[in-house]
Amino acid sequence: DQQVKQNSPSLSVQEGRISILNCDYTNSMFDYFLWYKKYPAEGPTFLISISSIKDKNEDGRFTVFLNKSAKHLSLHIVPSQPGDSAVYFCAASGWANNLFFGTGTRLTVIP
Amino acid sequence: EAQVTQNPRYLITVTGKKLTVTCSQNMNHEYMSWYRQDPGLGLRQIYYSMNVEVTDKGDVPEGYKVSRKEKRNFPLILESPSPNQTSLYFCASSLDPRTDTQYFGPGTRLTVL
Repeated sequence: DQQVKQNSPSLSVQEGRISILNCDYTNSMFDYFLWYKKYPAEGPTFLISISSIKDKNEDGRFTVFLNKSAKHLSLHIVPSQPGDSAVYFCAASGWANNLFFGTGTRLTVIP
Repeated sequence: EAQVTQNPRYLITVTGKKLTVTCSQNMNHEYMSWYRQDPGLGLRQIYYSMNVEVTDKGDVPEGYKVSRKEKRNFPLILESPSPNQTSLYFCASSLDPRTDTQYFGPGTRLTVL
């Protein structure tokens, strides 16, 4: 059973606009969340993370929001750039020493 | 340069022929892990290791073995590969599996005929 879900397999956004990628989780024991970005033929690379004690974390153009009551997190990219086109995975960790990944969202930023 | 290397990058084999995918990291990380990526299923963890001689099952360990005899190496072994193990495999390492960023290798695309 998928404990971390990304319900949108793909998203297209115009260059310069905001990209919003969503992620839902089912297990309330998760207390740390991460976003990874993956280009074709490469391994995923870390993008940004957030602890459950926060509801927002910002790093340059990337902001992650966490809504614990809704078990929902989102990644905002502003402004979106063509180089942001990639597959984005959210991941969650909690009580165990392993990481649970979502199914990924393919973002296409149109020039 | 800090990196995780995997070999081979591509492999086509036949059902039942034992194979090993190697993974090595040069960052002195204690934690290492193997994932497989399949369409519509995302990344699923196969096995992980907290340190030398310590390994644990992830979400999908069936049909796989691992060993951690040295800190830097974490090979993935398929004793008798089957077609449902055709997938893209990633090795990763980190200092802390929960809060530290995991560094991923470039991936190994395995096809089992």
